[in-house]
Amino acid sequence: GENVEQHPSTLSVQEGDSAVIKCTYSDSASNYFPWYKQELGKRPQLIIDIRSNVGEKKDQRIAVTLNKTAKHFSLHITETQPEDSAVYFCAAWGYNQGGKLIFGQGTELSVKP
Amino acid sequence: KAGVTQTPRYLIKTRGQQVTLSCSPISGHRSVSWYQQTPGQGLQFLFEYFSETQRNKGNFPGRFSGRQFSNSRSEMNVSTLELGDSALYLCASSLGQGAGETQYFGPGTRLLVL
Repeated sequence: GENVEQHPSTLSVQEGDSAVIKCTYSDSASNYFPWYKQELGKRPQLIIDIRSNVGEKKDQRIAVTLNKTAKHFSLHITETQPEDSAVYFCAAWGYNQGGKLIFGQGTELSVKP
Repeated sequence: KAGVTQTPRYLIKTRGQQVTLSCSPISGHRSVSWYQQTPGQGLQFLFEYFSETQRNKGNFPGRFSGRQFSNSRSEMNVSTLELGDSALYLCASSLGQGAGETQYFGPGTRLLVL
């Protein structure tokens, strides 16, 4: 079946360092890839998304890259701050079985001051 | 606009009981998706409703069901609760249906089955 694999499951960085989270997907027809941030006890919030017609998208300190050939996409956070600490989920739109968002398992990012 | 709301926020039930959860989407949004979130399994897709019709369903037993009303509000029902149903149930709304539609999540309903 369709799946999205996300690595690493936990990531600890020092404030000011960069953080990179990687995801791979299996459905070659997938064309929409959102990233969500979920702080403890709160709802997932969309932070950035990318569609398959572009290879990279940036929004201030956050960027996402997409490699459709290799079927992987990555989230890059630069100049990390303690408020970036949260669980990050990648997702891919899977067309099989009617179409749905398939989520990775999540990465718990800890930014140490 | 008000965000996605879910009621109740917390629920404690015992095995064998049934439960109904409610989701009110952002005004104007016609699609509602439901997810189960657990520490071990992450976010698992339950089903999606658009214009009062179930458009897609995840790999969950028939005990899990849902519906959508003409005002786009949605409910999900779990019958004959099991201990393993303890989870955070999230709904998400989007303007339309399909790839590329941004999904906005509600705060979730935390269900504990004893």
